[in-house]
Amino acid sequence: QVQVVQSGAEVKKPGDSVKVSCKASGYTFTRYSISWVRQAPGQGLEWMGWISGYDGNTNYAQKVQGRVTVTTDTSTNTAYMELRSLRSDDTAMYYCARDVSITRGFLDYWGQGTLVTVSS
Amino acid sequence: EIVMTQSPATLSVSPGERATLSCRASQSVSSSLAWYQQKPGQAPRLLIYDTSTRATGIPARFSGSGSGTEFTLTISSLQSEDFAVYYCQQCNNWPRTFGQGTKVEIK
Repeated sequence: QVQVVQSGAEVKKPGDSVKVSCKASGYTFTRYSISWVRQAPGQGLEWMGWISGYDGNTNYAQKVQGRVTVTTDTSTNTAYMELRSLRSDDTAMYYCARDVSITRGFLDYWGQGTLVTVSS
Repeated sequence: EIVMTQSPATLSVSPGERATLSCRASQSVSSSLAWYQQKPGQAPRLLIYDTSTRATGIPARFSGSGSGTEFTLTISSLQSEDFAVYYCQQCNNWPRTFGQGTKVEIK
């Protein structure tokens, strides 16, 4: 069965970086993509970025472009999201999800979420 | 960027009643529209993709319709487990964008 498991909660200081992992299993990793979505406390969903499991192509939201990098390690079926120069408004639950395709990008399996808290 | 606007923000419905949620795109997304359900403390769950196809395991009381810029999620007879927040997402343009959500609460 498809599973997506994320790394644990993080507490960071402003200016720090955080790297969240997302390990997929139960499907052929290179046939799908991964999207990253975050949710600030009490707020809605915000799409952050996407990476192809096939060729590593990426696409990012303008709001975080320049501070975020999404990568994959196909040897371990794991995706990573690194966010740099953290600010207090980056405090959020971060989700990864399997993204079906570049033209039909719905998210059918979600990780459990990783809470990132940014506080001095 | 395509802006997705959901209405209403909150919908108060009695169990057993019908709920109709709307999602409007600022420009056409063809049929590339998905709906998600999120309950407190949980990750979102895919309900509907490609405007009207139910995801695996989703009950038939959930249905989606629309095309272009106007979309609807209908829950035919609300069950207690359906009270949650629902998000639409356009799926074929960069950046992917979500609506702000509609909270379905018990009347």
